[in-house]
Amino acid sequence: KAGVTQTPRYLIKTRGQQVTLSCSPISGHRSVSWYQQTPGQGLQFLFEYFSETQRNKGNFPGRFSGRQFSNSRSEMNVSTLELGDSALYLCASRSQGAQETQYFGPGTRLLVL
Amino acid sequence: GENVGLHLPTLSVQEGDNSIINCAYSNSASDYFIWYKQESGKGPQFIIDIRSNMDKRQGQRVTVLLNKTVKHLSLQIAATQPGDSAVYFCAEVPTGGGNKLTFGTGTQLKVEL
Repeated sequence: KAGVTQTPRYLIKTRGQQVTLSCSPISGHRSVSWYQQTPGQGLQFLFEYFSETQRNKGNFPGRFSGRQFSNSRSEMNVSTLELGDSALYLCASRSQGAQETQYFGPGTRLLVL
Repeated sequence: GENVGLHLPTLSVQEGDNSIINCAYSNSASDYFIWYKQESGKGPQFIIDIRSNMDKRQGQRVTVLLNKTVKHLSLQIAATQPGDSAVYFCAEVPTGGGNKLTFGTGTQLKVEL
């Protein structure tokens, strides 16, 4: 099975712009979560989607949003970018089985100038 | 890398020695714990997990120990190899499951030849 894929892998934006990141989960996985990883804060949970519905949300401002499509692919959007949004954005997918392990993609590295 | 700013604790071991990486968790209601390995430029990779009703679980060259009394988790790597060099994170999952992983700050493992 192919793993979690994320596009693009690298992105450079300027302050005030918006950005959309994409994630394709492992085939058969219906749950997708997003995390932000920074040197200062480490790995932090952004939100989780299951069956096109947001099921859980972390402590991030409303500029961070996401959605999930019927094929389980997910996108996250950050509007009005700030310098502090520079980070590695990781997507993880999970099956609905008893094993609750999340499998991560390689991440999208976002640099805000 | 993503974790430099966090002043990660570093564990240096000689190739062939055993490594023990420790993690303290905060939520006594967590019922599931996972260890991830993250190499530079990559997303976290699942290593091993353990449920709260267990105190030990073994995998290939790895063992996880859970002490719920003191809320402590450890990862033991036998016969450490250069390819084990990475940052290791423990993550806890709250009771009821869900995808909101809470990650520790991580430990940098360096394997010396």
